[in-house]
Amino acid sequence: QKEVEQNSGPLSVPEGAIASLNCTYSDRGSQSFFWYRQYSGKSPELIMFIYSNGDKEDGRFTAQLNKASQYVSLLIRDSQPSDSATYLCAVGNNDMRFGAGTRLTVKP
Amino acid sequence: KAGVTQTPRYLIKTRGQQVTLSCSPISGHRSVSWYQQTPGQGLQFLFEYFSETQRNKGNFPGRFSGRQFSNSRSEMNVSTLELGDSALYLCASSLGDGNYNSPLHFGNGTRLTVT
Repeated sequence: QKEVEQNSGPLSVPEGAIASLNCTYSDRGSQSFFWYRQYSGKSPELIMFIYSNGDKEDGRFTAQLNKASQYVSLLIRDSQPSDSATYLCAVGNNDMRFGAGTRLTVKP
Repeated sequence: KAGVTQTPRYLIKTRGQQVTLSCSPISGHRSVSWYQQTPGQGLQFLFEYFSETQRNKGNFPGRFSGRQFSNSRSEMNVSTLELGDSALYLCASSLGDGNYNSPLHFGNGTRLTVT
């Protein structure tokens, strides 16, 4: 079982829709959860982080964490073509482990 | 504030050679982590250094090694290069202290090609 799992996609949504990205992790001791965005040919950039159960909102992005279910998600509201990228889930417990990423395409 | 700087950006090496990659973290960041990124495997954790000590290590062979200097700059070395070592090597820095993992800030990476 992989430590951090994501659907590889591709996930395609129309412009203006909500994109939902999901991630599960295996280490119950994990305490820190991150979402990164990576454009093709670029390095990952931080979108959000969440440490506590529940929702955390930042602009059009909402991160949701459920430690009991070992599940973290990212919602992108009012998706824009510029959101088209690979989204990486990262889980921290001492070191940081990444999922393989979900490729999101937002169609105009 | 300057970001994470990795040098060189591109490297072409031959099997059996060794290579050293360099990373300068964001000022004030004491932790430096290294990752290997390939299309098939995604981002794989190599190791993390904090205050000149290796704090965590991933599942890579001993050919992969690193070190951190007193100014937090870090180097990664790969000896006896193999074709499978061709990848993008990413360095990331973070504050590194506290009870929770602090966010990683990535450099632009070094693209290593082994022929």
